[in-house]
Amino acid sequence: IAGITQAPTSQILAAGRRMTLRCTQDMRHNAMYWYRQDLGLGLRLIHYSNTAGTTGKGEVPDGYSVSRANTDDFPLTLASAVPSQTSVYFCASSDTTGENTGELFFGEGSRLTVL
Amino acid sequence: GQNIDQPTEMTATEGAIVQINCTYQTSGFNGLFWYQQHAGEAPTFLSYNVLDGLEEKGRFSSFLSRSKGYSYLLLKELQMKDSASYLCAGLDSNYQLIWGAGTKLIIKP
Repeated sequence: IAGITQAPTSQILAAGRRMTLRCTQDMRHNAMYWYRQDLGLGLRLIHYSNTAGTTGKGEVPDGYSVSRANTDDFPLTLASAVPSQTSVYFCASSDTTGENTGELFFGEGSRLTVL
Repeated sequence: GQNIDQPTEMTATEGAIVQINCTYQTSGFNGLFWYQQHAGEAPTFLSYNVLDGLEEKGRFSSFLSRSKGYSYLLLKELQMKDSASYLCAGLDSNYQLIWGAGTKLIIKP
């Protein structure tokens, strides 16, 4: 059982370059999320999608974009990377339908360094 | 504003009991989550409370008081593998999670 797969696991990127972090889930969860995690701060939501075909902005969306063409995939794109986007990025999914608690299932994370 | 407060770091001894506190202020409330995160790994779900009281799950228990905006995670019979960060998160009226910065728990032999 794969759960959620993120790629790449680690990447060093020059400032100004475009980068897409990939995220795929096989649990058929309706909701997906992208978070960044920085030392001393809580997880911060970048973008989310409650269902295929819809997306929404989280707490820190600037400089990032997402798409949700189908249930399984939720890529995150940095159009022009800046050093402040150096972080660990986590993709997560949840089943928010019915009586489910909506607990999040996380991918293993993508460590991004922008120089 | 919305806020989750929890201690930055705690130290405990193997075999002992530790209580990690969390206070929350959210716009509306639809439950409180605890997650465990080992260094360099992804967070994993531990517990969810939406009603007042104690939920026990093996060595781990989670308590909620909605009137006080307070929760705690209780870990019994501590093992070295329990060394991790413990993240508290509140679910607001829009079903958005508000995360605390996490409590790093250090277990000493």
